Amino acid sequence: EAGVAQSPRYKIIEKRQSVAFWCNPISGHATLYWYQQILGQGPKLLIQFQNNGVVDDSQLPKDRFSAERLKGVDSTLKIQPAKLEDSAVYLCASSFGLAGGDTQYFGPGTRLTVL
Amino acid sequence: RKEVEQDPGPFNVPEGATVAFNCTYSNSASQSFFWYRQDCRKEPKLLMSVYSSGNEDGRFTAQLNRASQYISLLIRDSKLSDSATYLCVVKMDSSYKLIFGSGTRLLVRP
Repeated sequence: EAGVAQSPRYKIIEKRQSVAFWCNPISGHATLYWYQQILGQGPKLLIQFQNNGVVDDSQLPKDRFSAERLKGVDSTLKIQPAKLEDSAVYLCASSFGLAGGDTQYFGPGTRLTVL
Repeated sequence: RKEVEQDPGPFNVPEGATVAFNCTYSNSASQSFFWYRQDCRKEPKLLMSVYSSGNEDGRFTAQLNRASQYISLLIRDSKLSDSATYLCVVKMDSSYKLIFGSGTRLLVRP
């Protein structure tokens, strides 16, 4: 079974530029998550989708971050404009449903460096 | 105060050693608990869930103490391949959101 796919794997941009990340979850997984992992910290949830609806975006900096999952499958996360503190690994994860026992499977992440 | 706190380590142990990590959580409403493993520059992967009665998976034993709000992970007979960062994770089932600790780094030396 194919895992969670993410692209690009690495991205280097200058501050104030825009960047977009793409995620394709495991086939059949209804729930998709975007996490931000800053060096030395654990992942922090940015946004959670079930199908194409947002379940939780309470920690998404909405002035600069946006995400969509229009057809309930793949998703994009955008940062516009980027700041130095956005340098992090952006992890996408998916799970079959929202049920408490569902395991979240993570993609390899996109490592973003903002100069 | 952080919602999930862990000693960052690193724990540097020889092969064959037994090592234990603890993790504390602040929200008594937390319902589900997990340990994830993250290798350097890789994604987190579920190691094991933690149940109130304690559970064991081979060389790994996880325990939960709800009264004291801490979770532990014990690794017996450490292998070089156990070198990784171990992330303590809690979930409040009402929100289905995973809350990660910052991780404890383990280095197993020959």
